[in-house]
Amino acid sequence: KNQVEQSPQSLIILEGKNCTLQCNYTVSPFSNLRWYKQDTGRGPVSLTIMTFSENTKSNGRYTATLDADTKQSSLHITASQLSDSASYICVVTVGITGTASKLTFGTGTRLQVTL
Amino acid sequence: DAGVIQSPRHEVTEMGQEVTLRCKPISGHNSLFWYRQTMMRGLELLIYFNNNVPIDDSGMPEDRFSAKMPNASFSTLKIQPSEPRDSAVYFCASSSGDRVSGELFFGEGSRLTVL
Repeated sequence: KNQVEQSPQSLIILEGKNCTLQCNYTVSPFSNLRWYKQDTGRGPVSLTIMTFSENTKSNGRYTATLDADTKQSSLHITASQLSDSASYICVVTVGITGTASKLTFGTGTRLQVTL
Repeated sequence: DAGVIQSPRHEVTEMGQEVTLRCKPISGHNSLFWYRQTMMRGLELLIYFNNNVPIDDSGMPEDRFSAKMPNASFSTLKIQPSEPRDSAVYFCASSSGDRVSGELFFGEGSRLTVL
């Protein structure tokens, strides 16, 4: 069964600190992995999309890593800000052909950045 | 670009009533998705259209749910009759590619409460 598991479920950190969110997946065949940020009451917004051959991808203070061998990904947030408080959702695309592929969603990590 | 536009943003209705949610995708995008998000289950795909044609409706819960895309700029999701367990946030998303390569752009969601 295709699954995407995220940890931790929730996290509280102080402003300015770094943090790392984890995503483990068991899908086949793997196509790509995406991280989304969802602010409370808003729709998810794409942070990164990584294919099989990419190990690291950055978007400002967000850095995603992908280890296709261990089927793990992480999202590292540097120098956190209050505006980083949100849910972060890991999404894996299963399948290699267009319309037949599927997106498998994790349930997200809820991050709260405090003063 | 205005992004994906959904209406209404909030809907409160009584059990048994018909609910219609609307979505205007980003101009030029040829893929449209309807998702449902709950605390327990996260984001779940309901239906996926490509070039206005339903490709994958395996996530539609039952016959009470129906979706249409009469043209490239408009889609509806209808629930008739509605039940309390349908209470959730419904998201519409669009992309310019297929499910493998296209980046998803989400609307702000329609929060449905069925009493």
